Amino acid sequence: SSELTQDPAVSVALGQTVRITCQGDSLRSYYASWYQQKPGQAPVLVIYGKNNRPSGIPDRFSGSSSGNTASLTITGAQAEDEADYYCNSRDSSGNHLKVFGTGTKVTVL
Amino acid sequence: QVQLVQSGAEVKKPGASVKVSCKASGYTFTSYDINWVRQATGQGLEWMGWMNPNSGNTGYAQKFQGRVTMTRNTSISTAYMELSSLRSEDTAVYYCARGRWEPSLPRTYYFDYWGQGTLVTVSS
Repeated sequence: SSELTQDPAVSVALGQTVRITCQGDSLRSYYASWYQQKPGQAPVLVIYGKNNRPSGIPDRFSGSSSGNTASLTITGAQAEDEADYYCNSRDSSGNHLKVFGTGTKVTVL
Repeated sequence: QVQLVQSGAEVKKPGASVKVSCKASGYTFTSYDINWVRQATGQGLEWMGWMNPNSGNTGYAQKFQGRVTMTRNTSISTAYMELSSLRSEDTAVYYCARGRWEPSLPRTYYFDYWGQGTLVTVSS
């Protein structure tokens, strides 16, 4: 199975922009999806595919991908964006296996 | 509206098995995968496996091969995840999540709806 690596923690000033990255070999073949998780809650999908947002997700969330790296960008971070963020992608080994990234804690200052 | 409702918390002894259910509503159960994800306290998300409710086909993460079984009962739109030979390290919240891909979005797979989670505690 492949691995997806994320920075453990990042911080951003209120209203500023933060980018969270996810690195892994499988990202050369498959897009990542991104999930926001707040304490005590189930994860919530925020970005999928090339750059698609589910209904109800603010447009300050965007995604991009290049080579083996996928990125989630929050433009104009709000206090409510403080959370853990995880990427996920299909495992390039086959059989429709999936893998989560190691997770990034975003702190809004 | 789409909902995934999971069974309640479980306490098990080491060596036992646990079976968690995930009841789907608001959509055609057999049209989307069900994935299982777990999270130990203070740790990250860990993908365990997937099941196609239509065919019953499954795929499991290597870590859980031989210990996990995912099944379904289509008549009641419910998926199940059974984990055997439990050990203390299996103490975690277990989530089911609907998985989907779309032909219009190549190379894209995602989990759009999640259950509320089921706490499984393994303790002697």
